[in-house]
Amino acid sequence: AQSVTQLDSQVPVFEEAPVELRCNYSSSVSVYLFWYVQYPNQGLQLLLKYLSGSTLVKGINGFEAEFNKSQTSFHLRKPSVHISDTAEYFCAVSGGDYKLSFGAGTTVTVRA
Amino acid sequence: GAVVSQHPSWVICKSGTSVKIECRSLDFQATTMFWYRQFPKQSLMLMATSNEGSKATYEQGVEKDKFLINHASLTLSTLTVTSAHPEDSSFYICSARDPLAGTGELFFGEGSRLTVL
Repeated sequence: AQSVTQLDSQVPVFEEAPVELRCNYSSSVSVYLFWYVQYPNQGLQLLLKYLSGSTLVKGINGFEAEFNKSQTSFHLRKPSVHISDTAEYFCAVSGGDYKLSFGAGTTVTVRA
Repeated sequence: GAVVSQHPSWVICKSGTSVKIECRSLDFQATTMFWYRQFPKQSLMLMATSNEGSKATYEQGVEKDKFLINHASLTLSTLTVTSAHPEDSSFYICSARDPLAGTGELFFGEGSRLTVL
């Protein structure tokens, strides 16, 4: 079984500042890792995913994440945020069976 | 990318009635769909895996008779909340796997908010 821990429940950040959202996972098998974004009353949109290969993954909207196997982490970063990045962010892990286990989520609030 | 649509987006019903939520894959055939439940300010909890042409597989603790799942075609899965009660009020989200898409990726519907009075 896999599990995910998102270390920050809320992250306030000023516009144009960088942001990092932390995610740690545990698994007994090889994993696929994902970051999703959810806007109010909407479904989830995939930001990026790690399946294999390069540990630095680039996604949509300027986001990137780095897979660190030794630290079992998959932190999400963006060098400069916009007001429109205000949303809920979920880290998720799968063991390859497409059944996702989600973290508790991180609320990002971008202020002008 | 692939599109998954849910209907209705919002539904309000009286306690004791049943409500059906549809999940459709609009431009691909989904052999497997997943249903999640999300409480306010919380994460998504997997309820069940829906496989076309066979019975759904429910996660531990999910009442099969309360949450009926049918996956009658490759583009449609339905979740029926039977004899709904206020504690069933939640945001229900489906996702679908496109066999032709990238490995591991699921496509999510917009969600359906159920309020039971």
